[in-house]
Order: sequence, then C-alpha cells, then structure tokens
Amino acid sequence: DGGITQSPKYLFRKEGQNVTLSCEQNLNHDAMYWYRQDPGQGLRLIYYSQIVNDFQKGDIAEGYSVSREKKESFPLTVTSAQKNPTAFYLCASSIRGFNQPQHFGDGTRLSIL
Amino acid sequence: QQPVQSPQAVILREGEDAVINCSSSKALYSVHWYRQKHGEAPVFLMILLKGGEQKGHEKISASFNEKKQQSSLYLTASQLSYSGTYFCGTEEEDSNYQLIWGAGTKLIIKP
Repeated sequence: DGGITQSPKYLFRKEGQNVTLSCEQNLNHDAMYWYRQDPGQGLRLIYYSQIVNDFQKGDIAEGYSVSREKKESFPLTVTSAQKNPTAFYLCASSIRGFNQPQHFGDGTRLSIL
Repeated sequence: QQPVQSPQAVILREGEDAVINCSSSKALYSVHWYRQKHGEAPVFLMILLKGGEQKGHEKISASFNEKKQQSSLYLTASQLSYSGTYFCGTEEEDSNYQLIWGAGTKLIIKP
C-alpha cells in the first residue's frame, strides 16, 4: 500500500544537539511538506518542496533545515538553534498543484531531555 | 493570513447535527477539510473548489461561498467516530500551492 512513513515515532533531543526526522513516501508525489503542531494548536508550515532539489521556507523555518535529494524523501533537521523544539512534527505529501489533498504520515513527537 | 474557524469547540449527543465554519479574508481557490483524532495524523475529508465542485467524503457535506470566502462543514446525525478536531485549510490565489490552516474546531460526541 502507498503511504508516508515518518520515523522515529518518538525522539528526544539533548541540549546543543541536532536531530533529523525522516519522511519517506511511495505515493509518487512531487510536493512534500513539514508542519509543526503544538498542543491544542493548528498546523504551522516549516518547509515545503514542490520538486526535487528545490524547497522553500514556510512561516516558522528558523532553527530547521531540510533537503530534497530524492523524490521519495524529505528529511527535516531540527538544529540546536531551535530553542523550543518540543512539538508534534507532521510530514505530508501531495500531487503538485492546486486542489490536491495532502496525505500525512503518523508524525514524530520530539521532546527535550 | 490564518482562516478563522468557529466554534472553537462543540459537544454533541450522538445523532445530533453540527456546523463548523471557516472564514478567510483572502480570495480563495479552494477550501480543504481534515479531521484529526488525538495523537494521530490529520485525515483528508473534503475539498471544495471554486465553481462549486466538491470532492470527498460520502457522509459529510460542506458548502463554499466564494464571494464571502467562507466554508461550512455539516455533520449530520453525528456518530461517536466523528469525534476529533476539524481543521480547514485554505488555498489562496497567490499562495504557491500552500495550505493556510485554521486553528481547529474540537468536536466531542457523547453517547
């Protein structure tokens, strides 16, 4: 079955450490997205990519970095510059263009040690 | 700019109806609706397109007033499985395919 796989499900970060969240999809989608969700809040866009080797900052990109070297993969690195990284991180993908539903992975819950 | 959802929360008895609203200040291409259960990923329900076309769920209906930039989601004869938080996402005409998400409406269904 096609879908989006995020790993790990839970992640703990130490002070000063960079951590990388994995997102892989086999839906053959061009567009991929990273969102941050804080408790009781909506989704805020961190980065998005419409095509391989190209990506754009979303509303809250500071302290995060991404790469898009393969169509299937869009890893997110939470750097030590992100001072408040504790949140639920969601990866999504869609067909490129307007009016396309986004399909989500199961999320990664990141906490500070 | 984030669309405004109302109400923030609603509690229903099983079998009752609910309406959730989503309002934007920008001209829209479409409105998307998703449901998220606690601790899980959002699940796509429906897209409402400019021109009146709808794509999505069989048991949930919605409307989109393009002139007012407003959409409403109608949950009729609610079931326990409808519980969760409902988010609207709007596609603005100059948004580069991004969705702008509302803050969500929490729906609690009691037996």
